[in-house]
Amino acid sequence: AQKVTQAQTEISVVEKEDVTLDCVYETRDTTYYLFWYKQPPSGELVFLIRRNSFDEQNEISGRYSWNFQKSTSSFNFTITASQVVDSAVYFCALSDLVNNNDMRFGAGTRLTVKP
Amino acid sequence: KAGVTQTPRYLIKTRGQQVTLSCSPISGHRSVSWYQQTPGQGLQFLFEYFSETQRNKGNFPGRFSGRQFSNSRSEMNVSTLELGDSALYLCASSQPTGTTNEKLFFGSGTQLSVL
Repeated sequence: AQKVTQAQTEISVVEKEDVTLDCVYETRDTTYYLFWYKQPPSGELVFLIRRNSFDEQNEISGRYSWNFQKSTSSFNFTITASQVVDSAVYFCALSDLVNNNDMRFGAGTRLTVKP
Repeated sequence: KAGVTQTPRYLIKTRGQQVTLSCSPISGHRSVSWYQQTPGQGLQFLFEYFSETQRNKGNFPGRFSGRQFSNSRSEMNVSTLELGDSALYLCASSQPTGTTNEKLFFGSGTQLSVL
């Protein structure tokens, strides 16, 4: 069975602080996708990244970076120099390679960035 | 390019009624997926439609159904509403590439309240 755990329910930081959102997953599949989505107050989920299990290379996109470690089944997300606009709920998700619209989401981490 | 459009934005129904929600995907996207989001269960996959055919289905009772039209627009229907069906229903579209889908683009959702 597939499962995603986001142990941090809520995180509050002050603007310009760095913050890391944790994600731990479980799957019996040897190939799979991992995702991060952002859900602002407006409700829609905004895609941030998709990573397949073949590629453990870390990725950086502006202030965002992701650390994928298969050995610990983790896919953590770091925001550098956080901004108020980063305040949202962030979801980590897992899917297999074929039916990857059927994603297993974690419970989400609510990030609040204070000015 | 217009995003994923869901209507209505808010809906209030009473137990026992049925409801139909609508989703217009991004132009050119042929796959539409539906998710239910509740505070207790989080985000859960309902089903996916591609080329007017249900391609994948989550673990929901038969009261939840959907369809897709030739223009890729999709509707989902919930019959005999229960209080527990109160949720944010999110629709997502994607442009499949081979057997694996591209990233999902989500709408803002329909907030359904069952009284």
